[in-house]
Amino acid sequence: EVQLVQSGAEVKKPGESLKISCKGSGYSFTSYWIAWVRQMPGEGLEWMGIIYPEDSDTRYNPSFRGQVTLSADKSISTAYLQWSSLKASDTAMYYCARRDIVGATPGLYYFNYWGQGTLVTVSP
Amino acid sequence: DIQMTQSPSTLSASVGDRVTITCRASQSISSWLAWYQQKPGKAPNLLIYKASSLESGVPSRFSGSGSGTEFTLTISSLQPDDFATYYCQQYNSYSGTFGQGTKVEIK
Repeated sequence: EVQLVQSGAEVKKPGESLKISCKGSGYSFTSYWIAWVRQMPGEGLEWMGIIYPEDSDTRYNPSFRGQVTLSADKSISTAYLQWSSLKASDTAMYYCARRDIVGATPGLYYFNYWGQGTLVTVSP
Repeated sequence: DIQMTQSPSTLSASVGDRVTITCRASQSISSWLAWYQQKPGKAPNLLIYKASSLESGVPSRFSGSGSGTEFTLTISSLQPDDFATYYCQQYNSYSGTFGQGTKVEIK
């Protein structure tokens, strides 16, 4: 069974750093692109970026480039989303999601498996 | 950037109704469109991909159509489990812009 299990909720202060995780199991982790999607409170879904764990090829939504960093450790089948300096506006639910299509070819980014979400709260 | 616009934003309907949600792209995306259902506190769930292909395990009352810039998601007979928010997503470009969502409420 394919599963993406995300790390638990975080409460942080502005200016702090944070790294959240998404562990894949039940499939070949290195063969599928993993995306991160933001959902701010009461709002819709925003595609942040995507990474191919085999070689860490990474693509960012221009709106998020420079604001976050995507990474992956294929030895432990885990993808990461990190911030170096959080802002109150980073308060949101963050989902990881696996691309439906196998392989390294970029594009066709739609997702058939999702993590349960990690709630990040940034407050003074 | 490709923008996706859904209508309506909110839809009130009764069990058994036929429901249609529209998604428009700011430029042609061929058939590179997916639909998701999201319930409160849960992750989205893929319903439709490539505009009209039903994801495995999704009930056949859900269907998708369209190409180019205009797409629809239809629920042929609304069931109690279908009250949720629905999102379209384009994946034509090397990104994946979502629409703003359509909330289907009980009338």
